[in-house]
Amino acid sequence: DTAVSQTPKYLVTQMGNDKSIKCEQNLGHDTMYWYKQDSKKFLKIMFSYNNKELIINETVPNRFSPKSPDKAHLNLHINSLELGDSAVYFCASSQGGAFDEQYFGPGTRLTVT
Amino acid sequence: DAKTTQPPSMDCAEGRAANLPCNHSTISGNEYVYWYRQIHSQGPQYIIHGLKNNETNEMASLIITEDRKSSTLILPHATLRDTAVYYCIVRVSNGNQFYFGTGTSLTVIP
Repeated sequence: DTAVSQTPKYLVTQMGNDKSIKCEQNLGHDTMYWYKQDSKKFLKIMFSYNNKELIINETVPNRFSPKSPDKAHLNLHINSLELGDSAVYFCASSQGGAFDEQYFGPGTRLTVT
Repeated sequence: DAKTTQPPSMDCAEGRAANLPCNHSTISGNEYVYWYRQIHSQGPQYIIHGLKNNETNEMASLIITEDRKSSTLILPHATLRDTAVYYCIVRVSNGNQFYFGTGTSLTVIP
């Protein structure tokens, strides 16, 4: 069983579109995260939720809106996509406090054309 | 959170120990040292973490100097599958930041 799964794995879309990336974890963890890895391979935290509540919200454009329907899911919705949004987005989860041992998903490669 | 400094790349012969250094000279007393790695095109993988004492698990050992200003991740018998980018991260317990930095690209050579 996959511990942290993301869909889709690849996403190609045009500027201005709205898209969502889904994440699910079956580890029973309380905390989930979204990270962005840009073309230079810098990996940066975007959001973190603990038991469906937002606990970390980095300086991210408000076009990005995370939603956690339950503690096993953390989805990322992006409005009005821009070229600079092209990146690999990783979901992760951990038990307990923020940034304890994290388990990462396989990533979603988003390409905006 | 303290910043870390790692060499950009290293090579290691297969079967030998890989010793990956990390400097964190501005680390505070309540900051942990974490190590993750990222194999090409995959999500990062947790390896180990520690505060003051040396730590060992099934993947690696973490040696932290007494002054805590540097640490070394040791992969005791490197295999080709250990080729990856290794990230050293320090964070405050219950802190809300986690900087991955640029890491060390380790290449294990047959």
